[in-house]
Amino acid sequence: QSVLTQPPSVSAAPGQKVIISCSGSSSNIGNNYVSWYHQLPGTAPKLLIYDNNKRPSGIPDRFSGSRSGTSATLGITGLQTGDEADYYCETWDTSLSAVIFGGGTKLTVL
Amino acid sequence: QVQLVQSGAEVKKPGSSVKVSCKASGGSFSSDAITWVRQAPGQGLEWVGRIIPLLGISNYAQKLQGRVTITADKSTSTAHMELTSLTSEDTAVYYCASPYCSGTYCYYDSFDIWGQGTMVTVSS
Repeated sequence: QSVLTQPPSVSAAPGQKVIISCSGSSSNIGNNYVSWYHQLPGTAPKLLIYDNNKRPSGIPDRFSGSRSGTSATLGITGLQTGDEADYYCETWDTSLSAVIFGGGTKLTVL
Repeated sequence: QVQLVQSGAEVKKPGSSVKVSCKASGGSFSSDAITWVRQAPGQGLEWVGRIIPLLGISNYAQKLQGRVTITADKSTSTAHMELTSLTSEDTAVYYCASPYCSGTYCYYDSFDIWGQGTMVTVSS
């Protein structure tokens, strides 16, 4: 059971928008920045969002992040079939003195 | 662009140890920090631990405390992760990763560059 809670799966049609949630607590999301990754089968995760809402260079602006209180969200607009992947939120937990990941959300583009 | 190149797959017996290496290719560890993350078959990502020599910091996942050691050799731009007393629950792909740095500031808990992963199989 992950400290950060994500929905196991989400789905939407090509061209549509999807939002993936990540719920935590004051010891993690509430006081530390959140990162988001996606992972294609058999490959290493790729950083999409850092510092709650910033995109590394090369990540399109279709991807956006936000944090409010003890929750964070990842938004993806203009869905493409290539966006089908597992998505993970991640942050530091001050109480655990550890990096923690959400359980992951499988995105299906119908 | 720095790449992280990991050592090859390992098959180990229960109770033995494994040491996985991670070498920065095309440069050095830009942030002098390396994190290890593992992923059991069909499961999510699990943090193993990290080392930040510049800050004199090393942290390990509580469930692995006492069994895992992460070291970094700046002279060879190589990091190692050693895990002892292996059980079948340690069977996973192990990734090394380095933090995202913007200019001289590094976000030590956001992982930008990843190794290709090393499959560690523990089986009798």
